[in-house]
Amino acid sequence: KNEVEQSPQNLTAQEGEFITINCSYSVGISALHWLQQHPGGGIVSLFMLSSGKKKHGRLIATINIQEKHSSLHITASHPRDSAVYICAVSNTGNQFYFGTGTSLTVIP
Amino acid sequence: NAGVTQTPKFRVLKTGQSMTLLCAQDMNHEYMYWYRQDPGMGLRLIHYSVGEGTTAKGEVPDGYNVSRLKKQNFLLGLESAAPSQTSVYFCASSYPPTGPSYEQYFGPGTRLTVT
Repeated sequence: KNEVEQSPQNLTAQEGEFITINCSYSVGISALHWLQQHPGGGIVSLFMLSSGKKKHGRLIATINIQEKHSSLHITASHPRDSAVYICAVSNTGNQFYFGTGTSLTVIP
Repeated sequence: NAGVTQTPKFRVLKTGQSMTLLCAQDMNHEYMYWYRQDPGMGLRLIHYSVGEGTTAKGEVPDGYNVSRLKKQNFLLGLESAAPSQTSVYFCASSYPPTGPSYEQYFGPGTRLTVT
């Protein structure tokens, strides 16, 4: 049983394309997190959101609490966006649940 | 600020050997976590701590022990390593859920191979 499901698992895009990664979850949450893991292995937090929408540069994250669904969008994708994108959810019980990640490759 | 650091970055152990992974953070975070990451699986929580002197089990605690003697440090121990513990280990820290931000900050990871 996976509390967090992501789709697609793998994604290849041409530079400049608009990209969407989806995340669905099955548990009650206090927040949803989008993380980025680069080929070197380091993990950084991109967004934490509990409602609505957040934007940072070319990245946009949305969440629909009623549908238990979130999307991460990348506009005007670039090869440097190539990474694994991980969706995670947290609750007030100190638990984090992670998806298995979406591996994105952006081709020049 | 160094953020979250992990020592060592790489290690090879023989079955039955022991070792300790060190995690240090300089952000004054109350919460610290140890995860393992295996191919095809999401990060899985091994143990966590909500403050100095406290520890709690996560999803996959068997074969590991932890200690949080100082607020800034969180140690993960393997008493008798097994090949199934071959993995990449990540430490993370955060404020409490009621704090200014529940965002987790991750260390660079430790790649452990048990032969």
